[in-house]
Amino acid sequence: DAKTTQPPSMDCAEGRAANLPCNHSTISGNEYVYWYRQIHSQGPQYIIHGLKNNETNEMASLIITEDRKSSTLILPHATLRDTAVYYCIVSGAAGNKLTFGGGTRVLVKP
Amino acid sequence: DGGITQSPKYLFRKEGQNVTLSCEQNLNHDAMYWYRQDPGQGLRLIYYSQIVNDFQKGDIAEGYSVSREKKESFPLTVTSAQKNPTAFYLCASYDPGHNWGYTFGSGTRLTVV
Repeated sequence: DAKTTQPPSMDCAEGRAANLPCNHSTISGNEYVYWYRQIHSQGPQYIIHGLKNNETNEMASLIITEDRKSSTLILPHATLRDTAVYYCIVSGAAGNKLTFGGGTRVLVKP
Repeated sequence: DGGITQSPKYLFRKEGQNVTLSCEQNLNHDAMYWYRQDPGQGLRLIYYSQIVNDFQKGDIAEGYSVSREKKESFPLTVTSAQKNPTAFYLCASYDPGHNWGYTFGSGTRLTVV
């Protein structure tokens, strides 16, 4: 599976959009981009995933560049409950084991 | 509600003892996974199973063992051979037919005393 690179931490103001970048320059054609988040001492929670097209659900939007070498997770209106570690993962569609890197520690401030 | 149940939430073990962590799912998922997480770190894969009666080693399998006798259950045994077992352990399951993400349990925090 391709490796991902994320900033270690970022702050965000409550009510503002949070844009979380992820680089995955070695992604291959059949690999998806997944985003999970982990609130302290809990299991990771699936947020969203995509292959080529941008995706949106009730939690977030995922913007994937045309060359698929990077993506951005957008939390449209961050709340204090969005404070968590966010993991960007690239994995094949066959459901191969996920490899979690260090993620981005997001702190939403009032 | 469907989900994954890990028990116990907190577990204390004396050095030299084996201990088994429970993971049960009622999602009818074929694939199940065990991860280990150390403070401030990401998750590392210990073992995974894609079907009943079959499992494979992950990146850090030494000192651990698993079984998969039933689809719903994937227990993890931390043996005395694991030199540094204190960690947060997470179980997950996955249905390849849906491809919309893994479901994780709430974790077991193991402390060696």
